[in-house]
Amino acid sequence: GENVEQHPSTLSVQEGDSAVIKCTYSDSASNYFPWYKQELGKRPQLIIDIRSNVGEKKDQRIAVTLNKTAKHFSLHITETQPEDSAVYFCAASIEYSSASKIIFGSGTRLSIRP
Amino acid sequence: SQTIHQWPATLVQPVGSPLSLECTVEGTSNPNLYWYRQAAGRGLQLLFYSVGIGQISSEVPQNLSASRPQDRQFILSSKKLLLSDSGFYLCASKSDGTEAFFGQGTRLTVV
Repeated sequence: GENVEQHPSTLSVQEGDSAVIKCTYSDSASNYFPWYKQELGKRPQLIIDIRSNVGEKKDQRIAVTLNKTAKHFSLHITETQPEDSAVYFCAASIEYSSASKIIFGSGTRLSIRP
Repeated sequence: SQTIHQWPATLVQPVGSPLSLECTVEGTSNPNLYWYRQAAGRGLQLLFYSVGIGQISSEVPQNLSASRPQDRQFILSSKKLLLSDSGFYLCASKSDGTEAFFGQGTRLTVV
C-alpha cells in the first residue's frame, strides 16, 4: 500500500527566512498531493494542494513542487512569519478510484524564531 | 464546500466501556469518508475509510470498528476501550476533485 515519508520532523527558521519540507510517496498511482497545517488542538486545514498533471503551484508565500518520476514533492514557505509556526502534514491519495484512501506523512513541527 | 460535524469534542471513558463517535457531512453527496487517530504530538494514522454506504476498509487491526449506515454518516465504535485507544480522533470527508475536510475532532481519554 501507499507509504508517505516526510522530513524533517522538526524545523526552526529565522523569521523572514524560507522553510522547505520534503515528502516522498511509494504508490505511483497517486495523483493528488495536499498539504495541511495543524495548530495545537485544532483540526488540520488545507494550505495548498497539487495534482499530478502539474509540476508546481504557488499561492502567495506558499509553493509546492511535484516530481512524479522521483515520487517526491515539497512545500516551500518564503518570508516566514510567526503565524506560520504549526505542524505541517503532506499527504498522497488516488482520486477517481475505489482505492481512495489518503495517507499522511508523519508531520513537521515548524517553529519561526523572532 | 463541505461541512463536517463531529461529536463529542471531548470524552473521558473508563477502560472496558463502549465507544461511539459520530460524524455527519453536509454539502456533498457520496463522499469518501475517513477516520484518523492522532496520538499526542504524532501524525495522522488512518483507521478506516469508506467509499460508499456499508463499504468499510480497515487499515489497522484493533478493537475499533466503523460503520456507514447512511451516505453522509460515519460512525466509529468499540465494544471495550483500552488505555491505548486514547487520542485525538478526526473524521474527514473528500469527494473527487475537492480537498479533504476535517471535523473538529474528538479528544478521547481512556482512564
